Amino acid sequence: GEDVEQSLFLSVREGDSSVINCTYTDSSSTYLYWYKQEPGAGLQLLTYIFSNMDMKQDQRLTVLLNKKDKHLSLRIADTQTGDSAIYFCAESGFGYGQNFVFGPGTRLSALP
Amino acid sequence: EPEVTQTPSHQVTQMGQEVILRCVPISNHLYFYWYRQILGQKVEFLVSFYNNEISEKSEIFDDQFSVERPDGSNFTLKIRSTKLEDSAMYFCASSLRQRTEAFFGQGTRLTVV
Repeated sequence: GEDVEQSLFLSVREGDSSVINCTYTDSSSTYLYWYKQEPGAGLQLLTYIFSNMDMKQDQRLTVLLNKKDKHLSLRIADTQTGDSAIYFCAESGFGYGQNFVFGPGTRLSALP
Repeated sequence: EPEVTQTPSHQVTQMGQEVILRCVPISNHLYFYWYRQILGQKVEFLVSFYNNEISEKSEIFDDQFSVERPDGSNFTLKIRSTKLEDSAMYFCASSLRQRTEAFFGQGTRLTVV
């Protein structure tokens, strides 16, 4: 079945850029998403990219998609302590039984 | 800003009891979903709902689970006879179109004792 993988932990210094990586297996993925989960909170949609795009930028966030390698990344510029959270990569396609498939989440720690 | 709201935020129930988790999706959305996240594990798809019927469900969504949209605003998940392994955070989500930009609620933490 479909699978989404991420590294589990990332620590960066405040002010540096964070890059969170994700790989997925489903070649029919149509949309790829990044969600943020703060402690005890729900899943906040940060951004998403359609599979025919290579890059999407939204303020401090840059999403890069390499469809050939099935690799997605989220870059957070000027990382702040408030960015500390778990970041989930997710994909959705149009095959039967395919709703959002989430990765395990990357815990980002922004250190002062 | 419109948001998905879920109640209660935390529910404790005894094994074997029935629970109903409630969600109010974003008002103009047409697709509704339930997901769950067992502590320390991945967010898993349970069920999607469209046009007053289940459109897809996962293997997790067995006969113990049911969903309903009893009126124009609420979307509920019922677990008939809870088991210890049902303890998880349950997330409701809604989207305007299928599988695009799903907005998630804050979750209900269900603890079965």
